[in-house]
Amino acid sequence: GAGVSQSPSNKVTEKGKDVELRCDPISGHTALYWYRQSLGQGLEFLIYFQGNSAPDKSGLPSDRFSAERTGGSVSTLTIQRTQQEDSAVYLCASSLAGWEQFFGPGTRLTVL
Amino acid sequence: DQQVKQNSPSLSVQEGRISILNCDYTNSMFDYFLWYKKYPAEGPTFLISISSIKDKNEDGRFTVFLNKSAKHLSLHIVPSQPGDSAVYFCAASATNTGNQFYFGTGTSLTVIP
Repeated sequence: GAGVSQSPSNKVTEKGKDVELRCDPISGHTALYWYRQSLGQGLEFLIYFQGNSAPDKSGLPSDRFSAERTGGSVSTLTIQRTQQEDSAVYLCASSLAGWEQFFGPGTRLTVL
Repeated sequence: DQQVKQNSPSLSVQEGRISILNCDYTNSMFDYFLWYKKYPAEGPTFLISISSIKDKNEDGRFTVFLNKSAKHLSLHIVPSQPGDSAVYFCAASATNTGNQFYFGTGTSLTVIP
């Protein structure tokens, strides 16, 4: 598989639980982005990793959200104490130093 | 604060005719613009881009026009095909202020056979 993969594809959780979403970028891509798309909304930027630089966390909506990128490859987005408004499709994208981003299929998160 | 706006949530076009999807932006620092296409249950895929040094970029049936003074860009698809039916997102970036991309809310295009 040469594309960006995300797991799980669907996640249903109860309010107050923590969730982890995983992203496997395209091998060799130095940049990795997380977005979310709530119902009827556009893609909302969450966080951006570029190589070994400090991540741009300016889009994270609250301190319940965090993300890591280990070894410059796989990334995990963690949402603590989930709320119903966290329900959305979470999309990961990766790119080389250029501008074209390749997106994964997304993880649909439903918080009951 | 939505910096990139797609004011038409949906558009229906007859097969073979032209589809025109519009996008407006508010930040004059944006200098790079992209269009993505998204099918249900899939991630967006890159379609075409344009830099602010140009006012037009063409790739096959797809042409993007940029009007910097109006802060407006449009995507033209001609001739439209049923396989073009998808949600189209406009995105913009200010390349000298980092790599954050701002996306519009999308326009759902239906091409009627």
